[in-house]
Amino acid sequence: EPEVTQTPSHQVTQMGQEVILRCVPISNHLYFYWYRQILGQKVEFLVSFYNNEISEKSEIFDDQFSVERPDGSNFTLKIRSTKLEDSAMYFCASSDRGRDTQYFGPGTRLTVL
Amino acid sequence: DAKTTQPTSMDCAEGRAANLPCNHSTISGNEYVYWYRQIHSQGPQYIIHGLKNNETNEMASLIITEDRKSSTLILPHATLRDTAVYYCIVRVWGGANNLFFGTGTRLTVIP
Repeated sequence: EPEVTQTPSHQVTQMGQEVILRCVPISNHLYFYWYRQILGQKVEFLVSFYNNEISEKSEIFDDQFSVERPDGSNFTLKIRSTKLEDSAMYFCASSDRGRDTQYFGPGTRLTVL
Repeated sequence: DAKTTQPTSMDCAEGRAANLPCNHSTISGNEYVYWYRQIHSQGPQYIIHGLKNNETNEMASLIITEDRKSSTLILPHATLRDTAVYYCIVRVWGGANNLFFGTGTRLTVIP
């Protein structure tokens, strides 16, 4: 069964450094998403992406964040100048159509020291 | 999207049916009911969704009341691996792309 994959599973970085989280969505899917979950808190929507541009973004997704689909298979989330409060699980998801069921990856645990 | 209300936690004996309720009294006609679960800190896993008819798949059954103001997710034979947080999400089909996760129900399956 096709699945969303994410790398790395755990990323440790120093405050102020840039990180790139990578995702490989399900191959025939066209809509891509990033969510995050701070330890012990709810899963929160960050951004959705379709046709090489952002469809929607939450207020969390500020200028520190960017997304890109650099090739036909990868979908990345870049966090510039990381802060301690960026420590969280980051989940990528994809769907066949914009309103369709979203399938999630296993997540990347980001730890900012 | 309409707000949902779920119990904070539930226990279920292994092998028995787990019935997880969800209230969505402000649901509108074009909103679907989705269920996801999250096992420990893994990515949310899609379980099932429906509009107004009852639905069944290999994981679970979804029972939606006739007035659509509430629904129940049924895991017919709960196993220890079903211990997770279960999220009921109401989502407009023509609305925003994002899923809004509440606090969900923490289901503990007891041996």
